[in-house]
Amino acid sequence: GAVVSQHPSRVICKSGTSVKIECRSLDFQATTMFWYRQFPKQSLMLMATSNEGSKATYEQGVEKDKFLINHASLTLSTLTVTSAHPEDSSFYICSASWVGEQYFGPGTRLTVT
Amino acid sequence: GDSVTQMEGPVTLSEEAFLTINCTYTATGYPSLFWYVQYPGEGLQLLLKATKADDKGSNKGFEATYRKETTSFHLEKGSVQVSDSAVYFCALSEGNTGTASKLTFGTGTRLQVML
Repeated sequence: GAVVSQHPSRVICKSGTSVKIECRSLDFQATTMFWYRQFPKQSLMLMATSNEGSKATYEQGVEKDKFLINHASLTLSTLTVTSAHPEDSSFYICSASWVGEQYFGPGTRLTVT
Repeated sequence: GDSVTQMEGPVTLSEEAFLTINCTYTATGYPSLFWYVQYPGEGLQLLLKATKADDKGSNKGFEATYRKETTSFHLEKGSVQVSDSAVYFCALSEGNTGTASKLTFGTGTRLQVML
């Protein structure tokens, strides 16, 4: 139980385009989901906390207009990277909260060319 | 702010060797402490946790004890297997155990176990 999926697992896009990443809790409902970014050989950095039915809470230094988060249902949160640039290339990971713990998705590798 | 410091990897061991991965933390309150494991191509999985001082978390032969006096939560295993090869992350959470609170992660330590 407590499985979280992400789609797509890998995406390559051109500079200036937007990319949407989905995070789904498959067998439970999550009022809270988290979005992280992981740089090579570095830790996971929390980008934002996504709450179902309300606006996301962004961490300091994260551009909310660039990284749009929508949590429209108890099983789905989306992260849209708008006007992507090569520096946005990274590994994006989501997690969903259930019974006081976080369950992580497998991540999405974004490459912006 | 909160922070977690882990020993740098990679750590390379022979099968059946003893494993220690050091983790120390800085927090303003009384955090819960976690070890997560990330196998190749998979998402992070909770390995073990401890929610108060002197608690010992254990799972799959791994153990870690919450040491408030040394602000540490070192991960140990008496005899590693090739299947333990993965990246291990130490993390803390300042929130209540019954709620989902944001996690602060260490940089991760890659473990490679050789036959």
